[in-house]
Amino acid sequence: AQKVTQAQTEISVVEKEDVTLDCVYETRDTTYYLFWYKQPPSGELVFLIRRNSFDEQNEISGRYSWNFQKSTSSFNFTITASQVVDSAVYFCALSDQPTDSWGKLQFGAGTQVVVTP
Amino acid sequence: DVKVTQSSRYLVKRTGEKVFLECVQDMDHENMFWYRQDPGLGLRLIYFSYDVKMKEKGDIPEGYSVSREKKERFSLILESASTNQTSMYLCASSLLTSSYGETQYFGPGTRLLVL
Repeated sequence: AQKVTQAQTEISVVEKEDVTLDCVYETRDTTYYLFWYKQPPSGELVFLIRRNSFDEQNEISGRYSWNFQKSTSSFNFTITASQVVDSAVYFCALSDQPTDSWGKLQFGAGTQVVVTP
Repeated sequence: DVKVTQSSRYLVKRTGEKVFLECVQDMDHENMFWYRQDPGLGLRLIYFSYDVKMKEKGDIPEGYSVSREKKERFSLILESASTNQTSMYLCASSLLTSSYGETQYFGPGTRLLVL
């Protein structure tokens, strides 16, 4: 069963619009970690944020913000005032299973964001 | 800054060839990982290693093997390449700590085409 669901395959916006990427996860563990990565056309995954399950505070970093809600098992990501350079595939990931995890990540399928001028 | 490098950005091989993909990290990380990325499937873990000469199967190890002779280097081996192994291969590394939620840092990826 998929543990991380990114239901949006592709989102297209015009520059300066806001865009929200959904991430829903599934775990039985009380302690877990959630991540967002960005993959630009060059291919390298760039780490954006890491959040542990005990920290439900929303976070803002420049034009990026994250909304973590344990009640709905969601960790959504918003880009405010999007720019062409935001065009990329964005992945949400989960790290749980402490007994044999060795830090393994379970990734969602990714959401392609296309920002046009 | 963490630096993870992969030996090739693009690779074209023929069916049946033995293929080596190499990954090197310079941050003294214990954990290293190999993933493959296919459209609509996200990243899937092939193998990982938490120490020199140690390896663990991931979710899709069939058709692959790995080697970790030095801490900084982790190689993925396709013993006999097949067309269904055409994919993007990504290497990552992370610290091994008591917290299993350490951040993984990725290399630029290798796009492998098997003809």
